[in-house]
Amino acid sequence: GNSVTQMEGPVTLSEEAFLTINCTYTATGYPSLFWYVQYPGEGLQLLLKATKADDKGSNKGFEATYRKETTSFHLEKGSVQVSDSAVYFCALSEMDGGSQGNLIFGKGTKLSVKP
Amino acid sequence: GAGVSQSPRYKVAKRGQDVALRCDPISGHVSLFWYQQALGQGPEFLTYFQNEAQLDKSGLPSDRFFAERPEGSVSTLKIQRTQQEDSAVYLCASSPERTSGIFTDTQYFGPGTRLTVL
Repeated sequence: GNSVTQMEGPVTLSEEAFLTINCTYTATGYPSLFWYVQYPGEGLQLLLKATKADDKGSNKGFEATYRKETTSFHLEKGSVQVSDSAVYFCALSEMDGGSQGNLIFGKGTKLSVKP
Repeated sequence: GAGVSQSPRYKVAKRGQDVALRCDPISGHVSLFWYQQALGQGPEFLTYFQNEAQLDKSGLPSDRFFAERPEGSVSTLKIQRTQQEDSAVYLCASSPERTSGIFTDTQYFGPGTRLTVL
């Protein structure tokens, strides 16, 4: 079945450090890929998405590229801020094969950024 | 505009009690999803509605879980005879419309209901 694996946290970085959170997936078809973010005390928010191979999603300085050959969708940011402290979830969604498009999530990676 | 809202935000139940969790999706959104998020885990799919039709309930963990969306807007997730393992955050998400092919609609999540079963 479909699944998402992302690096375990917590990840602790100093402000302005480079961030990478690894995400790989297993899917039978051609999924769309997402990164969601959950700030403390808030609900899940879509951070970025990519719907086909080689697409790059970007938002708020974060980027992720859909790599079909490595089945990966790693999240990167060149310079993190304290306000980026949150839990980040990688997810996939498939519309074919009878799927209704429900999201399949990784376990989440908690990021803490220190000033 | 208003986002997805859920109520109550927190619910404490004694084992064996029945609970009802409400979701108000974004107005006009056709699709509605329920997810369960255990502590320290990612959300897991429970069930899906397209308007009032429940098209997928494959993620419901037992027959104690029941969901409805009778008028195609507000949805209620009901858990009968709650057990300790039901303790989790229950998330509701809505999206505008189903599409085919490789395009997938963004899902908009509510803040969740944290259920604690004692």
